[in-house]
Amino acid sequence: NAGVTQTPKFRILKIGQSMTLQCTQDMNHNYMYWYRQDPGMGLKLIYYSVGAGITDKGEVPNGYNVSRSTTEDFPLRLELAAPSQTSVYFCASSYSRAAGYTFGSGTRLTVV
Amino acid sequence: ILNVEQSPQSLHVQEGDSTNFTCSFPSSNFYALHWYRWETAKSPEALFVMTLNGDEKKKGRISATLNTKEGYSYLYIKGSQPEDSATYLCACNFGNEKLTFGTGTRLTIIP
Repeated sequence: NAGVTQTPKFRILKIGQSMTLQCTQDMNHNYMYWYRQDPGMGLKLIYYSVGAGITDKGEVPNGYNVSRSTTEDFPLRLELAAPSQTSVYFCASSYSRAAGYTFGSGTRLTVV
Repeated sequence: ILNVEQSPQSLHVQEGDSTNFTCSFPSSNFYALHWYRWETAKSPEALFVMTLNGDEKKKGRISATLNTKEGYSYLYIKGSQPEDSATYLCACNFGNEKLTFGTGTRLTIIP
């Protein structure tokens, strides 16, 4: 049972480049989330999804896009990378809104 | 804005001592409270989820209590060990699909 798998683990982007952070889970969880973690700021919600075909904005969605075409996958897209998007990104999933989250191992992104 | 506050921000505890820290939250619209343990260079790991006033949960030497009327939860660690060193995150659900996280309490156990 792999849980939540995130790729890549590390990435350096130049300003203006785009990339997709991949997230997949094999637990048949309906709820999936993307967070970013900045030093001293805690986890901030970027986007979330309550099921295939449904996505919604979190606290800090600007500069990001998501899609949820299947239950398993929830990719996060950065279209025009900016230095402010330098952060550690975590994907998480849960089977209900009151259930504990299972987190991926994180992606450390640096935009230079 | 619904804030989840944790205190203290950081804590150093001698090995073998017991310790506790606090999570405070607005009690209106409260639905559930989560505690996570987050070791350096790893991802957060769920410890407890509590929903009812008076709930108490225990996992080995770690336990947690919940007071939804006054809006706080305590996390207790009995007989601290070096492997307990981590950041402990509290998060609350306020009746929607999202969790609001606190900034965590960073615990360091001194051998």
